[in-house]
Amino acid sequence: KAGVTQTPRYLIKTRGQQVTLSCSPISGHRSVSWYQQTPGQGLQFLFEYFSETQRNKGNFPGRFSGRQFSNSRSEMNVSTLELGDSALYLCASSLTGLGEKLFFGSGTQLSVL
Amino acid sequence: AQSVAQPEDQVNVAEGNPLTVKCTYSVSGNPYLFWYVQYPNRGLQFLLKYITGDNLVKGSYGFEAEFNKSQTSFHLKKPSALVSDSALYFCAVRDKNNFNKFYFGSGTKLNVKP
Repeated sequence: KAGVTQTPRYLIKTRGQQVTLSCSPISGHRSVSWYQQTPGQGLQFLFEYFSETQRNKGNFPGRFSGRQFSNSRSEMNVSTLELGDSALYLCASSLTGLGEKLFFGSGTQLSVL
Repeated sequence: AQSVAQPEDQVNVAEGNPLTVKCTYSVSGNPYLFWYVQYPNRGLQFLLKYITGDNLVKGSYGFEAEFNKSQTSFHLKKPSALVSDSALYFCAVRDKNNFNKFYFGSGTKLNVKP
């Protein structure tokens, strides 16, 4: 079984631009969640999708948004990029997301210049 | 208030010695508790979880964790550390009383010296 795939692996953007990150979960997994990892803040939960609906949301500004498609693939969008958005963005999937272990992708390293 | 706390940024231990990585949580009820490990330039990997039942949970690579409800702790342990255990360890909590939100600790860097 293929693992969680995140694309692209690396991304360089400038302030004010927008960016879209993609995540393909493990086949059969319907829950996809997103996390921001930075050296200073650790791992912070962004949001979770299940069956195309946002089920949970962390404490991030509205510039951060996401969606999930009918095949469970998910995208995350960040608009009006700021320098502080530079981070490793991780996606994780699980069957239903409730009490199960998460399977993580390798992440997308976003650098905002 | 921080939902998950890992009080140590770094833990140093000699190979062959026992190791403990600490985690405390502050969510109500009986949350789901997890430990994940992250090796350099890779995503997180699941180690173990506590849902209910026996307070001592055994996981991958010889790791185990002890759930203590009165102290709201879920410390990760291993009887004999290996150099290959050197990595970043994250404790995580799934809050069943708050829309099943996931909270991760800030991470603890484990250094195992030969």
